[in-house]
Parts: sequence; C-alpha cells; structure tokens
Amino acid sequence: DTGVSQNPRHKITKRGQNVTFRCDPISEHNRLYWYRQTLGQGPEFLTYFQNEAQLEKSRLLSDRFSAERPKGSFSTLEIQRTEQGDSAMYLCASSQTLGQRNTIYFGEGSWLTVV
Amino acid sequence: AQTVTQSQPEMSVQEAETVTLSCTYDTSESDYYLFWYKQPPSRQMILVIRQEAYKQQNATENRFSVNFQKAAKSFSLKISDSQLGDAAMYFCAYRDGGSQGNLIFGKGTKLSVKP
Repeated sequence: DTGVSQNPRHKITKRGQNVTFRCDPISEHNRLYWYRQTLGQGPEFLTYFQNEAQLEKSRLLSDRFSAERPKGSFSTLEIQRTEQGDSAMYLCASSQTLGQRNTIYFGEGSWLTVV
Repeated sequence: AQTVTQSQPEMSVQEAETVTLSCTYDTSESDYYLFWYKQPPSRQMILVIRQEAYKQQNATENRFSVNFQKAAKSFSLKISDSQLGDAAMYFCAYRDGGSQGNLIFGKGTKLSVKP
C-alpha cells in the first residue's frame, strides 16, 4: 500500500495558463475525490468519482475546472485559464465502498501558485 | 446544509498534559459519520479517529478519544499524554451516512505542544 500519490507537488504558473494535476489513488480503491484547501481553511469538496464515473460536482468546480478518471484508476484535474484565486492546495483522496471501512485517505496535495 | 464549526482557531498544551479540541455540527440527518483528521505542517492529512452516529459508545484510539454528544451535536477530541508530534492542524469533519463521500470540514484548530 503506497498511499495516495499526487504530482506535481508544487506548481507555479502565470495567470491565464492551464495546469494539470495527477492523482494515483490507493490500489483497489474505487472512489476518488478532489478537494481544495486554501490557507487557514479546511478542505472544500470539489468532485468525486466512483470507478470512472464522475458522480458529484461541487458548485466550486467552475467551467474552467475539469476532472477525469478515464480507466477508473488515476485521475487528472485540469484548470484552464488560471486566475490568482485558484491559488490553493489541491488534495486528492480515495476510499473503498465496502462495508464500514470506507475511510477516506488523503494524498499530500498539490500546491498551486498563480502569479 | 450540513455545517461543521470549530470555535478554537489555536490551542496550546504542555507536553504530557491533556487537551480537548471542540467541534459542533449541524445536520438533520440521523445516519452520519464524524471524523477528526490531523494535518502536520507540509504533510498529508491523516485520520485520527472516526465515530458512527448510531454508536453510543465514544470512539477511542490509543491516546485519542472523543466525547460524542449526539443531542447537542457536539464532537470533541481529547488528546491525552500530549507529545511533540501531536502538534498539527486538527480538522473535524462530517459525512452523511447515505452520502457517496463528500466530507464537510471545519476550519481547523492549530495545536501547539510545548516541551
């Protein structure tokens, strides 16, 4: 069990550029989540997948954000035309659906700074 | 909508002493889960303890225990015999029992441990 892996860990980009983050969940976890966390705040839910299906999206996920999980394994989160307000840590998490052991495990996050 | 409130932005405890972190939540659901997550500086968020709402017995994990008051919608975390490694941000989180996974977090409490 290697844990939830995210990359890149840090990304600095100019306003208006596109960025993409990748998340590799814990193997055999069929659920995958994306959260956003800004300084001094708790994580805020963005979206989640069960296998390859995106089942829920937050209102925080504007049209500039798109997430995919094409084969039900890794996921990508793309932000188009970045804005300074997008600067945050993007957290990926995963879990199983079996029984009550559906604890959500988090990755170390990907820090985005938009300049 | 469900909300989670952590009223203590910062707390401090002497090493080996006991500290209690507060959390209240609001929900109209009867089936839900509550969690405490720990986020050390620049490190990933890890689960400290979880509580199922239908269980009357308070959860305990080694030095960590909770005081779950369902009627009062209160879920405090007690850390006994505090250690330097306990210093971190602590987040209280809520999840509907029927939800597909959306965790709702409080704003966190920063815990400092004094040697």
